[in-house]
Amino acid sequence: GDSVTQMEGPVTLSEEAFLTINCTYTATGYPSLFWYVQYPGEGLQLLLKATKADDKGSNKGFEATYRKETTSFHLEKGSVQVSDSAVYFCALLGGNSGYSTLTFGKGTMLLVSP
Amino acid sequence: NAGVTQTPKFQVLKTGQSMTLQCAQDMNHEYMSWYRQDPGMGLRLIHYSVGAGITDQGEVPNGYNVSRSTTEDFPLRLLSAAPSQTSVYFCASSASGGGPRKTQYFGPGTRLLVL
Repeated sequence: GDSVTQMEGPVTLSEEAFLTINCTYTATGYPSLFWYVQYPGEGLQLLLKATKADDKGSNKGFEATYRKETTSFHLEKGSVQVSDSAVYFCALLGGNSGYSTLTFGKGTMLLVSP
Repeated sequence: NAGVTQTPKFQVLKTGQSMTLQCAQDMNHEYMSWYRQDPGMGLRLIHYSVGAGITDQGEVPNGYNVSRSTTEDFPLRLLSAAPSQTSVYFCASSASGGGPRKTQYFGPGTRLLVL
């Protein structure tokens, strides 16, 4: 079946540091890939997505490139802020699970200190 | 538009009690899903629906029941609550078309504590 693997957290950074959160996936066919963000006490918000190989999703300074050759979708940001502290989820749509539901990774907590 | 709404926001149950978690969306989305979020486990699919009158099981369906009588509503029923069902529950919806371009929209969640 489909699966998503994320690096374990928490990831602890100082403000303005460079962020990378690794995400790899296993799926048949050509899934779409997503990053969702969950701020403390809130629900999930879509951060960015990519629907085909070599697509780059970007939003709020975050970027991720769909790499089919390495089955990866790593999240990056050049300069993090305290307000970026949250849990980040990598997810895929498609593959064996079809297009009706998402398959999620376990989430990576990011803590940014001033 | 309100998007996806969930009620209640927080609930405490005793073991063996039953309750219904409500989910509604006003985007005319055909697809709706229920997930549970547990520490270190990410989000796991409980049940989902691809349209009114059609439901199917996800990864962790035991102890939960769903029905979809209208496009807008997708309630999740706990028939006899157990401490293992203590979790945060999220409802999501998406349009049926778009295939790989589809985006799922999430509600704010319901925190459930079973004593």
